[in-house]
Amino acid sequence: AQTVTQSQPEMSVQEAETVTLSCTYDTSESNYYLFWYKQPPSRQMILVIRQEAYKQQNATENRFSVNFQKAAKSFSLKISDSQLGDTAMYFCAFMSMWDSNYQLIWGAGTKLIIKP
Amino acid sequence: EAQVTQNPRYLITVTGKKLTVTCSQNMNHEYMSWYRQDPGLGLRQIYYSMNVEVTDKGDVPEGYKVSRKEKRNFPLILESPSPNQTSLYFCASTPAGRSHEQYFGPGTRLTVT
Repeated sequence: AQTVTQSQPEMSVQEAETVTLSCTYDTSESNYYLFWYKQPPSRQMILVIRQEAYKQQNATENRFSVNFQKAAKSFSLKISDSQLGDTAMYFCAFMSMWDSNYQLIWGAGTKLIIKP
Repeated sequence: EAQVTQNPRYLITVTGKKLTVTCSQNMNHEYMSWYRQDPGLGLRQIYYSMNVEVTDKGDVPEGYKVSRKEKRNFPLILESPSPNQTSLYFCASTPAGRSHEQYFGPGTRLTVT
């Protein structure tokens, strides 16, 4: 069974700093997706970034980028020039490309606080 | 606007009183699923549905029922709620063949006393 581990329950940084959130996962599969979701106080789940395991190039979305290390089964999220609006829970999630139930496997989350 | 809606958004109830949380999507998606979110555990899948009249258990189905009589609707039923079902619930929908595109509802905060 696949598992996702986020080892940082909470982090805080000053506004405009760069912060990296860690995520490791365990799977025996070779084709899968990895995701980072943001959950602000409104509780809405917002997709931040997605990585396909067959792509060597790390995904980037504006200030958000990932460091995908397939052999190490590591998928960290870097937030550059952090903003107050980045304050939220961040979840790392895994999905097998061959899973017929389209199930996301989630980490426990990291609470990120951006201080002014 | 393409969206997944859930009702109610907040619910406080008592042990044993049957309740239904509705989920509806307007994108004609085949796949729908329910997750519950608990502190320190992330989200866990309760039930999923591949299409009308096709449903199956996820990782934590005990105490829950679902139905899929129409493509757009996927209600979550708690026949006899217990305090350990106090949680935040999310419905999600996905188009067939595009598993990486998950659309989430706004969540339902359920408290069972």
